[in-house]
Amino acid sequence: DAKTTQPTSMDCAEGRAANLPCNHSTISGNEYVYWYRQIHSQGPQYIIHGLKNNETNEMASLIITEDRKSSTLILPHATLRDTAVYYCIVRVRGGSNFGNEKLTFGTGTRLTIIP
Amino acid sequence: EAGVVQSPRYKIIEKKQPVAFWCNPISGHNTLYWYRQNLGQGPELLIRYENEEAVDDSQLPKDRFSAERLKGVDSTLKIQPAELGDSAVYLCASTSSERGFFSEQFFGPGTRLTVL
Repeated sequence: DAKTTQPTSMDCAEGRAANLPCNHSTISGNEYVYWYRQIHSQGPQYIIHGLKNNETNEMASLIITEDRKSSTLILPHATLRDTAVYYCIVRVRGGSNFGNEKLTFGTGTRLTIIP
Repeated sequence: EAGVVQSPRYKIIEKKQPVAFWCNPISGHNTLYWYRQNLGQGPELLIRYENEEAVDDSQLPKDRFSAERLKGVDSTLKIQPAELGDSAVYLCASTSSERGFFSEQFFGPGTRLTVL
């Protein structure tokens, strides 16, 4: 799987949009970008994923650059409950009959929402 | 619907002692994972089960770690004997194979192990 690079930490004011960048410059055509987050003392939680088109769900938006070498997770109106470590993960599709291969986590970005 | 259940939540043992962690996945999820998370790091896979079969145990230190999922539902991860370096959070996750590659992994709260 392609390696990802994320800032170690970020702060964001409550109510503002939080924009979390991720660099995956070695991503290949069959690799998807996934985002999970981990709130303190909890297990990771799925947020969103995408291949090349921008994606939006009830939690966040994912913007992937045209060359797919980087992406940005956007939390449109950050709340204190969004304080967590956010992991950007690149997953290759294929090579297994089951398709439920492991997630390869990096060290993520520690996002702190400031009241 | 209940999430992934793990017990105990915390465990403190002395080195060389055995320890076991239990996980009950979400009902109907046939894929189960055990991850280990060291302080300040992301989780790392130890073993993955498809039903009762361990399909990826390449990262499991087999000299001291063992796992089982006898009936393809709940699972136990054991360490014997524990070493100081085993102090970590042990996370269990599960997923359904209905959506294949796109299936979301659901994580339990983890068991925090401290080895003294």
